[in-house]
Amino acid sequence: AQSVAQPEDQVNVAEGNPLTVKCTYSVSGNPYLFWYVQYPNRGLQFLLKYITGDNLVKGSYGFEAEFNKSQTSFHLKKPSALVSDSALYFCAVRDRGPSNTGKLIFGQGTTLQVKP
Amino acid sequence: KAGVTQTPRYLIKTRGQQVTLSCSPISGHRSVSWYQQTPGQGLQFLFEYFSETQRNKGNFPGRFSGRQFSNSRSEMNVSTLELGDSALYLCASSSFSGGWGDEQFFGPGTRLTVL
Repeated sequence: AQSVAQPEDQVNVAEGNPLTVKCTYSVSGNPYLFWYVQYPNRGLQFLLKYITGDNLVKGSYGFEAEFNKSQTSFHLKKPSALVSDSALYFCAVRDRGPSNTGKLIFGQGTTLQVKP
Repeated sequence: KAGVTQTPRYLIKTRGQQVTLSCSPISGHRSVSWYQQTPGQGLQFLFEYFSETQRNKGNFPGRFSGRQFSNSRSEMNVSTLELGDSALYLCASSSFSGGWGDEQFFGPGTRLTVL
C-alpha cells in the first residue's frame, strides 16, 4: 500500500536561512509526488510536483524539491525562508504502478515556523 | 477562472442529523475529490468522482456518500452524524487532462461541527 511520511511535526528556521521539509514515500511502482501548503483557515494550495524527468523540480514562491528514487524521498527546499512561508506543508503521493488506484495519499503535515 | 467553491463554509449540527455539503469545481474540471481533515487523523481521502461516476473510495463507513452531477458539481452527504465527524471537509478538482499526474485544486473547505 502506498504511504507518505513527514518525520517532523514542526520545522523552525530563521528568516533568510535555507529551509528543508522532509518527505519519504512508499509505493509499489513509480510515484507521482506533490507538495501542497495550507495557510490557517484556508484550503490547500499546490506548490510543485514530480512526474518524470529532472529530479529537481521548481515550483511556486521560490520552492523546489528533489526527487531521490534510491532514498524514496522528495524533500521540499527553499534557499532563503520568509516569515510569510510559515504554514502547514503536506507531501502527497499517487502510485502509478500496477496497484494504482488513483488515490492521492497525504502525509501528516509539517508546520513550518519562520522567525524574523 | 474562478476557483473551487464550497458551500456552506461553516455548519453546526447535532448527533444523529444528516448534512449535505456542496462543491463547484473549476470550470472544465471533471474530477472532484473529497477529503476529511482532522487534527488527529490528518487529511484522509473520502472519494473521487469523474464524469458522474465514483472512481475511487476511501475507508469510510457507508454513512458517507457522494454524487456528481452532469455539470461536474458534487455533493457529499453524511447521515447519522457522530461527534467524530467534526472536521474540515475539503473538495478538490482536477482537469485530469494529464491523467493521474495532474495536480488538484482545493476549495476553502466546509467546517462541520457536530454537537
